[in-house]
Formats: sequence, structure tokens, C-alpha cells
Amino acid sequence: QKEVEQNSGPLSVPEGAIASLNCTYSDRGSQSFFWYRQYSGKSPELIMSIYSNGDQEDGRFTAQLNKASQYVSLLIRDSQPSDSATYLCAGTGNQFYFGTGTSLTVIP
Amino acid sequence: GAGVSQSPSNKVTEKGKDVELRCDPISGHTALYWYRQSLGQGLEFLIYFQGNSAPDKSGLPSDRFSAERTGGSVSTLTIQRTQQEDSAVYLCASSPSVGRILAKNIQYFGAGTRLSVL
Repeated sequence: QKEVEQNSGPLSVPEGAIASLNCTYSDRGSQSFFWYRQYSGKSPELIMSIYSNGDQEDGRFTAQLNKASQYVSLLIRDSQPSDSATYLCAGTGNQFYFGTGTSLTVIP
Repeated sequence: GAGVSQSPSNKVTEKGKDVELRCDPISGHTALYWYRQSLGQGLEFLIYFQGNSAPDKSGLPSDRFSAERTGGSVSTLTIQRTQQEDSAVYLCASSPSVGRILAKNIQYFGAGTRLSVL
């Protein structure tokens, strides 16, 4: 079992809709989680980090963490075509590990 | 520098040749990671350095791959006797530290080295 599992997609949403990206993890000792965005041909860049149960909001992005159920999610409100990218979920436990990413396409 | 610097940005080599990829982490960052990303795939962890501790080499795919980090700063990833399946983008990342101060675990990535083995 991979430490972090993501639905590879592709996920398509219309412009202005809410995009919901989900991630589950296996290491109950994991303490912090990150969402990275990677545009095609570019390096990953951090967009959100979350350490505590509940929601954390930053502009149009909301990260949600549920340690009891071992899942992390990212909501993107008012999706824009510029949000089209691959989103990587990552967590830290004994190591830092990435999921394989979910491809998101926002359709104008 | 302001960010993680990798060189070269592109490398084309012939099968069987050795290559060296360089990574300059953000100044003061104690943790350094190497990843490999094949076209359309996720990040494959290769190796991790943390301060003066022994590196975590658990992700290296074969003994043709090795890495070192001199003086706790610059790192070099070496691939010996390159094969066509080694073609990928090699990404380096650094973070301030790893441990109880969780915000310091955030990794910052370089632009990568695109390796093509002919």
C-alpha cells in the first residue's frame, strides 16, 4: 500500500465551479500535509499546508484534514482555467512522501 | 541564491555514459531531496540528506545511482552507465529542516534537470 493515495483523474470542472481533490494516507503517525501544484513541464510549487484537524482557508483554496479517517482534501472555489494543473498531495511521518497527483482541467 | 538551483537544465547523453547532476539548495536549508519524474508520472523519491546524518538511500533504483552532499550544501547525483529508462526529469528540493517544527518541513523545488539518454 502506498503511503499516500490519490485519484489520478483526470478531473474536469467548468469554470466557476468547485473542484474537490482528495487524498488518503496510511501512516497514522503523519503530522503535516501539503498540497503542491505542478503545471505541465514545471516544478511543483506549494499552495497549502495543514497540520491540524479541520479546515484551513487561503483565498480560493481550502485544505481539509481528518486524522481519524486519514484523509486530506483540497477545495478550489471559483475554479479558473489557470488552475488547470496536476495537484500533488504530500505528507510527513518518518519520511516525506508524495502522492502520484490528480490532473485537474478547468473548462472555460 | 533565492531558490534551489539545478544544473544543467537539460542533459543529452549516450547510453552507457556517466552523468552528474548538481543541486544548490536554499542557503541554510539542512534537508535536501532528490526525486525523479518520468513523463506524465508522479514524483519518485530517490535519496534524502538531513544535516550530518547518514542519507536515506532507500529510493535509489539501482547501484548505478549515487549521490553525495558536500559540506552540507551542494549535492551531486551521479548516474553511471546510463540506460534509456533513466530518461526523466530529476528534481531537487530542500527544506529548512525536518522534525517537530512542522512548517520547516516544506520543500522548495528547483527547476529540474531533464535527462535524455539516447
